[in-house]
Amino acid sequence: EAGVAQSPRYKIIEKRQSVAFWCNPISGHATLYWYQQILGQGPKLLIQFQNNGVVDDSQLPKDRFSAERLKGVDSTLKIQPAKLEDSAVYLCASSLDLVETQYFGPGTRLLVL
Amino acid sequence: QKEVEQDPGPLSVPEGAIVSLNCTYSNSAFQYFMWYRQYSRKGPELLMYTYSSGNKEDGRFTAQVDKSSKYISLFIRDSQPSDSATYLCAMSPARGYQKVTFGTGTKLQVIP
Repeated sequence: EAGVAQSPRYKIIEKRQSVAFWCNPISGHATLYWYQQILGQGPKLLIQFQNNGVVDDSQLPKDRFSAERLKGVDSTLKIQPAKLEDSAVYLCASSLDLVETQYFGPGTRLLVL
Repeated sequence: QKEVEQDPGPLSVPEGAIVSLNCTYSNSAFQYFMWYRQYSRKGPELLMYTYSSGNKEDGRFTAQVDKSSKYISLFIRDSQPSDSATYLCAMSPARGYQKVTFGTGTKLQVIP
């Protein structure tokens, strides 16, 4: 079974530029999560989808971050404009439903200069 | 004070040693407790998921929860070089992964 796929794996941008990350969850997984993991910290949930609806986006900085999951399958996370403090690894995870084991992708490393 | 405290390490042990990894927490609402393993440049992988106080064993791994002390532990028996990774504790007031708070992780190195 294929795991959670993410792209790109690495991205370097300058502050105030925009960037987008893509995630393809495990086939059949209804729940999709985006996390931000800053170096030396644990992951922080940014947004959680159940199919194509948002379950929780309370920690998403909505003035600059947006995410969508059209058709309830793959998802994109966008940052516009980026700030230096957005440098982090952005992890996508998926699970069969809200309480089943979640599986993480390898993450996208973002460096904002 | 952080809700979840975890010693960042690094922790170096010889192969075959018993490893003890620990977290403390302050939020008494936490009921579900998790341990993740994260290899360098990879996403976290769920190792153990436990509910309330008590012990849970899975192979060489044992998770222990003491809610009265707000303290959780992960023990690794017969540690192997392949166990070298960062171990993250996590906890939530509800079943599932919506309101999970992660620790900062402990980096473990098992030396052959």
